[in-house]
Amino acid sequence: QVQLVESGGGVVQPGRSLRLSCAASEFTFSSYGMHWVRQAPGKGLNWVALISYDGKNKYYADSVKGRFTISRDNSKNTLYLQMNSLRPEDTGVYYCVRVPAVFSSGWHSLDYWGQGTLVTVSS
Amino acid sequence: EIVLTQSPGTLSLSPGERATLSCRASQSVPGSFLAWYQQKPGQAPRLLIYGASSRATGIPDRFRGSGSGTDFTLTISRLEPEDFAVYYCQQYGSTPPLTFGGGTKVESK
Repeated sequence: QVQLVESGGGVVQPGRSLRLSCAASEFTFSSYGMHWVRQAPGKGLNWVALISYDGKNKYYADSVKGRFTISRDNSKNTLYLQMNSLRPEDTGVYYCVRVPAVFSSGWHSLDYWGQGTLVTVSS
Repeated sequence: EIVLTQSPGTLSLSPGERATLSCRASQSVPGSFLAWYQQKPGQAPRLLIYGASSRATGIPDRFRGSGSGTDFTLTISRLEPEDFAVYYCQQYGSTPPLTFGGGTKVESK
């Protein structure tokens, strides 16, 4: 069964940085594009970033462009999200999510979600 | 960017009743690339429907997706106790970005 386990969340002051990780298992990680999706407390879902299966293509929501960096290490089956210059509005649960198609553009429905990691940006 | 508007915001129904959830797009969704998700409190979303009408693996056939262009519908034919949750639509036909609707909460009357 596909497993995605996020880590690295916590409480951080505005302007500081945090790096999230997502450990993937039980599937061929290097064949799938991966997304980060976040959810503010009590609110809906918001797309954050996409990285292609080979790491060559990366896309970001306007709200995080220039501050967040998505990356992956296919040798470690791990997805990352480096978050800099954090703002209170970045607070929420961050989900690591897989697309259902191999070697694709990554623009798909989202078939497997991690349990999420909570990031709180507050002074 | 395609904006998705879901209605109603909350649907109050009893087990056994039929639920009809709407997702309207600000412009036509190419290829009917629209998905539906279910989210229960404290849990991650679960994919129900992709391509507007195809059920994901393991999803019961009481869940049915339909629609095209700008108007999409998720129908739950007979609500089971475990179906009370929040439902989101998401489009992936015009990207970036992926966009989600604001959600419809289906609650027990």
